[in-house]
Amino acid sequence: DTEVTQTPKHLVMGMTNKKSLKCEQHMGHRAMYWYKQKAKKPPELMFVYSYEKLSINESVPSRFSPECPNSSLLNLHLHALQPEDSALYLCASSQQTGENYGYTFGSGTRLTVV
Amino acid sequence: QKEVEQNSGPLSVPEGAIASLNCTYSDRVSQSFFWYRQYSGKSPELIMSIYSNGDKEDGRFTAQLNKASQYVSLLIRDSQPSDSATYLCAVRGNKLVFGAGTILRVKS
Repeated sequence: DTEVTQTPKHLVMGMTNKKSLKCEQHMGHRAMYWYKQKAKKPPELMFVYSYEKLSINESVPSRFSPECPNSSLLNLHLHALQPEDSALYLCASSQQTGENYGYTFGSGTRLTVV
Repeated sequence: QKEVEQNSGPLSVPEGAIASLNCTYSDRVSQSFFWYRQYSGKSPELIMSIYSNGDKEDGRFTAQLNKASQYVSLLIRDSQPSDSATYLCAVRGNKLVFGAGTILRVKS
């Protein structure tokens, strides 16, 4: 299995809703990442997990809450989002967080906040 | 100064030509460099990685790295319409940072 699987593929939520994005990989990778990508912009790093511990939080608002229940799963809990949070949310993984490890990206969740 | 800079394009080349995509980076201690291809509405796909100065070839793709000049490039030989996409240069220090991407259009 060489894939990163993200669910759901599309999500529409109201500003008062609570929802979660899920990411799963079975490649034995020990580093997992959340990126946010707005239209016609590059992906921007949100969070990095290394060995199931949060190692980098790029000053992301608290309405985004990451969780890594085990080495294969990564969640992103969403609450009280704003319309400007609408974007493609990408999960990625790598063998470790060291420099020489490329990232494998999931297909993303396209989020629309109404 | 942005950490990773690319010309946004679009770069238009005829089918069968060589497409040359360029990227510069600001952090001299960066050691790992990647090229991703992203089709519209899809996620980035890793196509090349390079860690040492010089050229690295994989099929129709050649990545070139010059650390002294802080410059990375990607050459696509025999360009095909299916190569039309946004190409993202990414540089790895303690995190992977992307350039804004270059739009490539290959015309048949």
